[in-house]
Amino acid sequence: GESVGLHLPTLSVQEGDNSIINCAYSNSASDYFIWYKQESGKGPQFIIDIRSNMDKRQGQRVTVLLNKTVKHLSLQIAATQPGDSAVYFCAEMPQGGSEKLVFGKGTKLTVNP
Amino acid sequence: KAGVTQTPRYLIKTRGQQVTLSCSPISGHRSVSWYQQTPGQGLQFLFEYFSETQRNKGNFPGRFSGRQFSNSRSEMNVSTLELGDSALYLCASSFFPDTQYFGPGTRLTVL
Repeated sequence: GESVGLHLPTLSVQEGDNSIINCAYSNSASDYFIWYKQESGKGPQFIIDIRSNMDKRQGQRVTVLLNKTVKHLSLQIAATQPGDSAVYFCAEMPQGGSEKLVFGKGTKLTVNP
Repeated sequence: KAGVTQTPRYLIKTRGQQVTLSCSPISGHRSVSWYQQTPGQGLQFLFEYFSETQRNKGNFPGRFSGRQFSNSRSEMNVSTLELGDSALYLCASSFFPDTQYFGPGTRLTVL
C-alpha cells in the first residue's frame, strides 16, 4: 500500500552545521511532495514543496532534493539554528486530483547550542 | 491573512459520547482536509471536502464523519467515542490544487 517512510527517527546536530533529513516514498505515481515542520503543541508548518518534474528546489536556508529513480526525498537545512528543532515530516500526494497527503512518520531534529 | 483556525483547542470526553470539531480555512481556500495524529500511527488522512462535497475518504470507520458549509468552514464528528480516538485532529486548507496549510489542531482526550 501507500507509505512514506523516513530513514532516521532522530537527528542531532550542532548549531551552525548543515542538516540532512531523508525520506523514502513508495508510490511512483506521486507527483507532489512537501516537507512540514511540527513544533511541540502546534500543527505542521509548510517548509518547502517540489513537484515530480523537478529534481531540486531551494528556499530560504532549505533545499529539497527529489530522486525519482530511487524514490528518495531529502531536506537540507543550512546553518541549522536552535529554532529549527522540531519534528520534520515528508508527505506525498498521489496523482488523481485528490488532496490526500500520505505522511512519513517523522524525524525529530535536535539542534545543540 | 489569518491562518487556519480550529475550535476547540482541547476537549475531554468519555467513552460513548460524541464530539464535533470545527475548522475555519484560510480565506479563499475551498478545500478542507482532516487528519488524525497519534504517536503510534502518525498522521493519517480522514477525509477531504471541496465545495461542500466529500471528495476523498481515508480508512476510518463510519463513526467518523464530516461536512463542509457554503462558506468553506468544515466540521468533523466522531460518534460513540472509543479510547483509541484520543488524538490530535488537524485540519488543513488549500486553494486547490496547492499546498495544504494546517491549523493548530484539536487535542481530544477520551476517558
